[in-house]
Amino acid sequence: DVVMTQSPLSLSVTLGQPASISCRSSQSLVSSDGNNYMYWFQQRPGQSPRRLIYWVSNRDSGVPDRFSGSGSGTDFTLKISRVEAEDVGVYYCMQHIQWPHTFGQGTKLEIK
Amino acid sequence: EVQLVDSGGGLVQPGGSLRLSCVGSGFTFSTHYMYWVRQVPGKGLVWVSGIDYDGSNTGCADSVKGRFTISRDNAKNTLYLQMNSLRVEDTALYYCASYEGFWGQGTLVTVSS
Repeated sequence: DVVMTQSPLSLSVTLGQPASISCRSSQSLVSSDGNNYMYWFQQRPGQSPRRLIYWVSNRDSGVPDRFSGSGSGTDFTLKISRVEAEDVGVYYCMQHIQWPHTFGQGTKLEIK
Repeated sequence: EVQLVDSGGGLVQPGGSLRLSCVGSGFTFSTHYMYWVRQVPGKGLVWVSGIDYDGSNTGCADSVKGRFTISRDNAKNTLYLQMNSLRVEDTALYYCASYEGFWGQGTLVTVSS
């Protein structure tokens, strides 16, 4: 199985400051079509998860442009350019290049 | 409005069975790969099982292999998860989701004697 490793596991950020979350996979997530099969999700307290990013860097509809994704192969990053109060929650990466799909452990973001 | 509505959870004894359902609306259900994810309250997300457009290709986590079966009925816009031989460690909130980014609200499964 592909192991997804996130870091850090928790993050305390001042409002308006940037935040960055890393996700590393144990195998390459690049498919034969050239896409990286990797999602980023946000889960706010008490809510269902919400997808933020697909194919590494494409934002889902309604996702603020302060969120951005980058990377390729086995190393990926989610960045928030300026953290807002509504960004509090847990962030997960997930690979979907092969079954079983797997999530990272999650990164808890809180406001300092 | 796009919606996925999960249902079918409940309290069941170890060794028992449950069938979860997920009804989609507001989008073309038959064109979406779908999957199930579970989460123990306060813990992380765990991918359980996935299925392609017409149900011809499925996959599941090792922890549920041989016990859980994913299926779909595109005529009813419904995804299913048949869960047999349930164990205490299967207790979790179960979400259905589409590969296009939609998620259900979750349905709670509690396995306890």
